[in-house]
Amino acid sequence: DAKTTQPNSMESNEEEPVHLPCNHSTISGTDYIHWYRQLPSQGPEYVIHGLTSNVNNRMASLAIAEDRKSSTLILHRATLRDAAVYYCILRVIGTSYGKLTFGQGTILTVHP
Amino acid sequence: DGGITQSPKYLFRKEGQNVTLSCEQNLNHDAMYWYRQDPGQGLRLIYYSQIVNDFQKGDIAEGYSVSREKKESFPLTVTSAQKNPTAFYLCASSTSGLSLVYYEQYFGPGTRLTVT
Repeated sequence: DAKTTQPNSMESNEEEPVHLPCNHSTISGTDYIHWYRQLPSQGPEYVIHGLTSNVNNRMASLAIAEDRKSSTLILHRATLRDAAVYYCILRVIGTSYGKLTFGQGTILTVHP
Repeated sequence: DGGITQSPKYLFRKEGQNVTLSCEQNLNHDAMYWYRQDPGQGLRLIYYSQIVNDFQKGDIAEGYSVSREKKESFPLTVTSAQKNPTAFYLCASSTSGLSLVYYEQYFGPGTRLTVT
């Protein structure tokens, strides 16, 4: 499986934008980029996913580099509730099962 | 409300005892999964099931067993053969993994198991 590399931790102030980077230099053409986040003592929750084009949803935006070797999750206005561990995951759609391979993720701290 | 229920939230057992963790979903999902999370680490897949009466081993299945007799339920048994059972256990579900359409996984709140 292609691997992802994320910073161990990042900090932000409330109301400011946050850019969470993810490197995936060995990504293949069929790998989708997924982001999940895990709030303290809870199960992970889906944030966003994409293949080639930038994506937006109500939670965040995903910016994918033209060569697809990196991507950035963008939280437009961080709130205290966004403090969580953010996981960048690669997965091939249409595989026989939906295994998600979680790395250690990025711990996001949001300051009031 | 649709979702995934895991019970109990905290579970304590003595070493050498088997323990069963409950996972129920009312999302009408075909696929269900069990993950384990150790402190400061990501999740690792224990078992998964794509359909009733069928399940497959994940990356760390040794010392665990599952059953899938109903679509809504996917209980996990942590046996005495599991060397380090103390961990945070998470159950998830999704629409069938056989589709080419993207599907997200929905996670339960987790069960924190402590074995002493």
